[in-house]
Amino acid sequence: GAVVSQHPSWVICKSGTSVKIECRSLDFQATTMFWYRQFPKQSLMLMATSNEGSKATYEQGVEKDKFLINHASLTLSTLTVTSAHPEDSSFYICSARWAGRKHEQYFGPGTRLTVT
Amino acid sequence: GDSVTQMEGPVTLSEEAFLTINCTYTATGYPSLFWYVQYPGEGLQLLLKATKADDKGSNKGFEATYRKETTSFHLEKGSVQVSDSAVYFCALNEDSSNTGKLIFGQGTTLQVKP
Repeated sequence: GAVVSQHPSWVICKSGTSVKIECRSLDFQATTMFWYRQFPKQSLMLMATSNEGSKATYEQGVEKDKFLINHASLTLSTLTVTSAHPEDSSFYICSARWAGRKHEQYFGPGTRLTVT
Repeated sequence: GDSVTQMEGPVTLSEEAFLTINCTYTATGYPSLFWYVQYPGEGLQLLLKATKADDKGSNKGFEATYRKETTSFHLEKGSVQVSDSAVYFCALNEDSSNTGKLIFGQGTTLQVKP
């Protein structure tokens, strides 16, 4: 149980275009979803926290207009990287938690974004 | 603010060797502590957790004890296998905020050689 999927697993896009990444909780209702960014050989950096039906809370230094997060349902959150640039190339990881287990997050496999 | 510090890697061990990966934290409240593992090409998986002082988390032969007096949560395994090769992340969740936010250490790469 507690499976989180991400789609796509990898994507290459041209500079200036937008890319949408989906995060789904497959067998539970995710009251909260988190989006992280992971640079090579570095730790995960929390970008934002989203609760179903409300606006995402962004961490300091993360541009909310560039990284659009939508948590439209209890099983789906999306991250849209708008007007992507090469410096946005990274590994994006989502996680989800449900109300019954507030101490645990379940992570998706990640999405590798490369902007050319 | 809250933070987590892990020993730098990579850690290279022979199969059946004893493993310790050090993790220390700073937190203003009473955090829950976690170890996550990331196998090559996969997402993070929860390895073990401890939610209060002196708790011992254990799973798959790995153990870690929540030591409030030394603010540590060191990961140990008595006999590692090649399949344990992965990146290990120590993390904390500052419980009082109830946001669920996790703060991660920088990760420690473990390589186990046959």
